[in-house]
Amino acid sequence: NAGVTQTPKFQVLKTGQSMTLQCAQDMNHNSMYWYRQDPGMGLRLIYYSASEGTTDKGEVPNGYNVSRLNKREFSLRLESAAPSQTSVYFCASSDQDIRGYTFGSGTRLTVV
Amino acid sequence: SQQGEEDPQALSIQEGENATMNCSYKTSINNLQWYRQNSGRGLVHLILIRSNEREKHSGRLRVTLDTSKKSSSLLITASRAADTASYFCALAGNTGKLIFGQGTTLQVKP
Repeated sequence: NAGVTQTPKFQVLKTGQSMTLQCAQDMNHNSMYWYRQDPGMGLRLIYYSASEGTTDKGEVPNGYNVSRLNKREFSLRLESAAPSQTSVYFCASSDQDIRGYTFGSGTRLTVV
Repeated sequence: SQQGEEDPQALSIQEGENATMNCSYKTSINNLQWYRQNSGRGLVHLILIRSNEREKHSGRLRVTLDTSKKSSSLLITASRAADTASYFCALAGNTGKLIFGQGTTLQVKP
């Protein structure tokens, strides 16, 4: 099973450029999430989608937009990248509590 | 903040010893989960304990939860070099969203 697949794995952007981070899961999970991880900060929730067709803001949504394209796919868009958005981005999905979240392997984004 | 506070931030032990990590929080929770992250990788779910449970085991892992003290601990027994990783507690409220702590970095020396 592929689980949660994120693309790309690495990206360097110039300030002001835009890009979309892709995430897809093949576990038929209802809920999907985007987190960012910065050194010493743990993981912070950017946006989440409790089910297909719904999205909600997390702790740090400013500068980001999301699209729940279908049940499998949840994308994160940076419209105008800033150096403060340099981070590692993780997508996750979940269905039943007991199994917890399944995470992708992450996208390392550097904004210069 | 709803975030869990983890203690210690870093822990270094010898192979074969036990490792204990603690997580304290301030809000009410539905459940508390523990995750492991190897360097440069995604997080892996280890164990979930519900608010009405006090202790759970999974292999060499033992998790306790004290809701009156708003704290949880993760015990790894007979540690191995392969247990070297960062460990995170995560709090789940009624919304289902997980809020992560800052993590404990565990180094197990061979």
